[in-house]
Amino acid sequence: QQPVQSPQAVILREGEDAVINCSSSKALYSVHWYRQKHGEAPVFLMILLKGGEQKGHEKISASFNEKKQQSSLYLTASQLSYSGTYFCGTPRVISNFGNEKLTFGTGTRLTIIP
Amino acid sequence: GAVVSQHPSWVICKSGTSVKIECRSLDFQATTMFWYRQFPKQSLMLMATSNEGSKATYEQGVEKDKFLINHASLTLSTLTVTSAHPEDSSFYICSARELSPSGANVLTFGAGSRLTVL
Repeated sequence: QQPVQSPQAVILREGEDAVINCSSSKALYSVHWYRQKHGEAPVFLMILLKGGEQKGHEKISASFNEKKQQSSLYLTASQLSYSGTYFCGTPRVISNFGNEKLTFGTGTRLTIIP
Repeated sequence: GAVVSQHPSWVICKSGTSVKIECRSLDFQATTMFWYRQFPKQSLMLMATSNEGSKATYEQGVEKDKFLINHASLTLSTLTVTSAHPEDSSFYICSARELSPSGANVLTFGAGSRLTVL
């Protein structure tokens, strides 16, 4: 099943903060976060591997609560370049090749206005 | 970082024709590539996993004969939409997995191919 993200969409003024949540009905092995700008391919932001792990990339950080089967992405002092649709991705382990398929969340459209 | 090239970036075709989309890993070898489909304002839906030297594995509900996948080399996977119809119009994105410094697999995506079937 597809992870559910909230909110579906959010509009911020430049400099404001936002939180995007990703909830799964299944156990999570790890959580990936991607950002996709309109008409472009998704770009990898970060991956969280352990429950309780927190990571940061510039002013974008994320946390992973394994017990609650959810992850949150935090954007602080948002910039115009942060606009886009954010997707969380949760892997399904394939035993044959040892690869990981990602199931992407429902997406959150973030619009930053000046 | 890893680069994945996808071609064509957009294509318009007539109903009933077949369209081939190429996905290349430019600076690394990819034994596995993934093909996703994305409708406007929706999420990416995994269609199939392309495995070099063996048959692709398809997700439930994806027609194997409709979406032919070939992964003939370690750097190239192709998706052929056969006998395309207007409902096949979509944004198709390929990706290849790359090993991150943490040891986990992350995906690098191609730029996507927008297919419009008239």
